Amino acid sequence: GAGVSQSPRYKVTKRGQDVALRCDPISGHVSLYWYRQALGQGPEFLTYFNYEAQQDKSGLPNDRFSAERPEGSISTLTIQRTEQRDSAMYRCASSPDGGTRGYNEQFFGPGTRLTVL
Amino acid sequence: AQSVTQLGSHVSVSEGALVLLRCNYSSSVPPYLFWYVQYPNQGLQLLLKYTSAATLVKGINGFEAEFKKSETSFHLTKPSAHMSDAAEYFCAVSDMGDKIIFGKGTRLHILP
Repeated sequence: GAGVSQSPRYKVTKRGQDVALRCDPISGHVSLYWYRQALGQGPEFLTYFNYEAQQDKSGLPNDRFSAERPEGSISTLTIQRTEQRDSAMYRCASSPDGGTRGYNEQFFGPGTRLTVL
Repeated sequence: AQSVTQLGSHVSVSEGALVLLRCNYSSSVPPYLFWYVQYPNQGLQLLLKYTSAATLVKGINGFEAEFKKSETSFHLTKPSAHMSDAAEYFCAVSDMGDKIIFGKGTRLHILP
């Protein structure tokens, strides 16, 4: 079966523009996570959803960042008024359950490399 | 707050030699611990996980890790390195919630 897919794979934008990054999780997966990974660093948690409900957005750096998952499947991470410091790899992951057992096997997508000029 | 510390951002071993990648964690509750591997231009792949069952966890590709509560460690080992093991490895921790906290990663180089 298909894994987690993300689009676009690469995005170059100019400072001040808005960007929308898409994540298509594994079919049937309840939970969806967004991470940001700067060069030479590990993934940094941004936010996650169970179904369509955003459970935790504590990792979003500021109010320019938002995410939605309106139908409990595909999710979009939007960055408004992009800045150069937003340049990073943005990774999406999904897991089969809501983590109620406290253990998450998260399946990661290939990521979207965002470059803000 | 939970955290993980990976000792050494780069580790080099000879092909056939023992691989040891170090990870120490900090958690106020019994943790769930993971090792992920990232090959060039690919997504993260789960190598193994510790979920409070056996303390010695076996993963894919011959890797294993041992949970040592007294040392707050979860080091990753492989008896004999292969060229295909060259990648970046991330240790990660999670509590009873869904958030996973990753370390900064260790890039493993295999010398012929």
